[in-house]
Amino acid sequence: QFQLQESGPGLVKPSETLSLTCTVSGGSIISSTYYWSWVRQPPGKGLEWVGSIYYSGTTYYNPSLKSRLTISIDTSKNQFSLNLASVTAADTAVYHCAREYSRSVQQWGQGTLVTVSS
Amino acid sequence: QSALTQPASVSGSLGQSITISCTGTSSDVGGYNSVSWYQQHPGEAPKLFIYDVSNRPSGVSNRFSGSKSGNMASLTISGLQAEDEADYYCCSYTSRPTLVFGGGTRLTVL
Repeated sequence: QFQLQESGPGLVKPSETLSLTCTVSGGSIISSTYYWSWVRQPPGKGLEWVGSIYYSGTTYYNPSLKSRLTISIDTSKNQFSLNLASVTAADTAVYHCAREYSRSVQQWGQGTLVTVSS
Repeated sequence: QSALTQPASVSGSLGQSITISCTGTSSDVGGYNSVSWYQQHPGEAPKLFIYDVSNRPSGVSNRFSGSKSGNMASLTISGLQAEDEADYYCCSYTSRPTLVFGGGTRLTVL
């Protein structure tokens, strides 16, 4: 059964770097069909596409986050990761990792809440 | 990139039909047949209901249908049921290339 599972700290201090990892199970991350993505949702607000990565390492970022964002992939571990630098309270959100297919977010992880606070 | 425009809320009675609109630009909705729709119940992850404007993933009821005209996409739900009450989000591929979501629509079933 295909699954995506986010992991990482639930609390990050302002100005520090938010780091999350998504573990893919039930299928290989090495696929010419899919992109691997992050989508976030601030509490009580809507969805925001953060960025995505192809198994080859090619990345696509939300322009509003591009200067602070790095998405990477580790095919040996079947994982991909997100690093968001210089965080503020505005980065507090539930972060979902996901699988994109045909330019849509086909499968979603359950999400993990990351709070930015001192 | 600017979020796609959706109405904040819509409502309909059991058994009725409703339509949720999603307005973008020629650089996103109007430029590609890559509009998708998601349903999200409180406390849950979103679920894909429509992709490529009008295609339903396996397991999604045919009461849900999607369409597009120009820079506006629409999601129609027919025969409203109580379990349809949720938040709905549209999403489009863009020219950057990226994905962009709408602000979301809260559907209330009366």
